[in-house]
Amino acid sequence: GNSVTQMEGPVTLSEEAFLTINCTYTATGYPSLFWYVQYPGEGLQLLLKATKADDKGSNKGFEATYRKETTSFHLEKGSVQVSDSAVYFCALRDTGANSKLTFGKGITLSVRP
Amino acid sequence: DGGITQSPKYLFRKEGQNVTLSCEQNLNHDAMYWYRQDPGQGLRLIYYSQIVNDFQKGDIAEGYSVSREKKESFPLTVTSAQKNPTAFYLCASSEGHSYEQYFGPGTRLTVT
Repeated sequence: GNSVTQMEGPVTLSEEAFLTINCTYTATGYPSLFWYVQYPGEGLQLLLKATKADDKGSNKGFEATYRKETTSFHLEKGSVQVSDSAVYFCALRDTGANSKLTFGKGITLSVRP
Repeated sequence: DGGITQSPKYLFRKEGQNVTLSCEQNLNHDAMYWYRQDPGQGLRLIYYSQIVNDFQKGDIAEGYSVSREKKESFPLTVTSAQKNPTAFYLCASSEGHSYEQYFGPGTRLTVT
């Protein structure tokens, strides 16, 4: 079956530090890949997505590249801000009309001033 | 403003009681979903519905029930059969099953 593995957290960084959050996946087909963000006390928001190999998703300074050869979709940001403190979820949706979202466990990012 | 509302934000119940969580959307989306979020576990799919009057079990449907009588509403009942009901419950909707999902703010249920 499908699965998503995220690096263990939590992660604490100083403002303006470089961020990498690792995500690898296992899927039977050719999935679409997503990063969702959850700010404290809120639901999830789609941060970025990529639908095929070598696609790069980007939004709000965050980027992730769909790497089929390494089955990875690592999230990066060059300079984090305090307002980026949140929980980040990697997810995949396999191909097919009835495909569902499969989420990783999430990782908490705290950015200190 | 279009969006998804879940109420209440916090809900407390005694063990052995059924409780119903509300989810309403005004996005005119066909598909709706219920997820459960536990610390360190990610999100797990409870039930989903692709059209009115139809719904399917997700990965952890035991102890839960749903209905979809109206397009904009997808209430979730947590029954007394659910062994560990305390969790954060998230509702989502999408235009269709393969489209981007939009999430509500969630309901935190505590059962003692």
